[in-house]
Amino acid sequence: EDQVTQSPEALRLQEGESSSLNCSYTVSGLRGLFWYRQDPGKGPEFLFTLYSAGEEKEKERLKATLTKKESFLHITAPKPEDSATYLCAVRFSGGYNKLIFGAGTRLAVHP
Amino acid sequence: ETGVTQTPRHLVMGMTNKKSLKCEQHLGHNAMYWYKQSAKKPLELMFVYSLEERVENNSVPSRFSPECPNSSHLFLHLHTLQPEDSALYLCASSQDNSKRFEQFFGPGTRLTVL
Repeated sequence: EDQVTQSPEALRLQEGESSSLNCSYTVSGLRGLFWYRQDPGKGPEFLFTLYSAGEEKEKERLKATLTKKESFLHITAPKPEDSATYLCAVRFSGGYNKLIFGAGTRLAVHP
Repeated sequence: ETGVTQTPRHLVMGMTNKKSLKCEQHLGHNAMYWYKQSAKKPLELMFVYSLEERVENNSVPSRFSPECPNSSHLFLHLHTLQPEDSALYLCASSQDNSKRFEQFFGPGTRLTVL
């Protein structure tokens, strides 16, 4: 069964304390892994797409990496404005663009 | 307007009401989606339209009825909803038949069913 699991469910960091979020997946024929950021009461905001193992993408304090079974979202020296829920989604081989989402990691960065 | 817009942003309705959610995408995409997001649960895909044709109806109760009159507009018609249908309803769009599959989301409609 195709499945996406994110851990931890919630993470509290002090400002400047680097950490990583995990997204593990069991899908056949991965055709893309996506990271989104979601602020309370708003729609998910697209961050990164990763297509193959070994690929890395960076944006400001965020860096996403991909292996054959999981992806990490590394947050370097986070700031309070990085507080949000981070969602991971996987597209598997199929007839149309269907994404399976994880439940997300709620990140809180305190000053 | 840019990106994906949704109206209304908030909606409160009784169980016997009929209402509609509207989504419009300004990205030139050819696929549109409805998702339901409940507290602490993953996004649930409800409907997919590709080239204005419904390609997925993810076992959604008939009290939810989608409509896609063209590639830029998507509606979700609601009738005789239940309190457990209260959630954030998100619309998204993407460009199918391309090498990029990112879906871009609207701000959502927060629905409360009394």
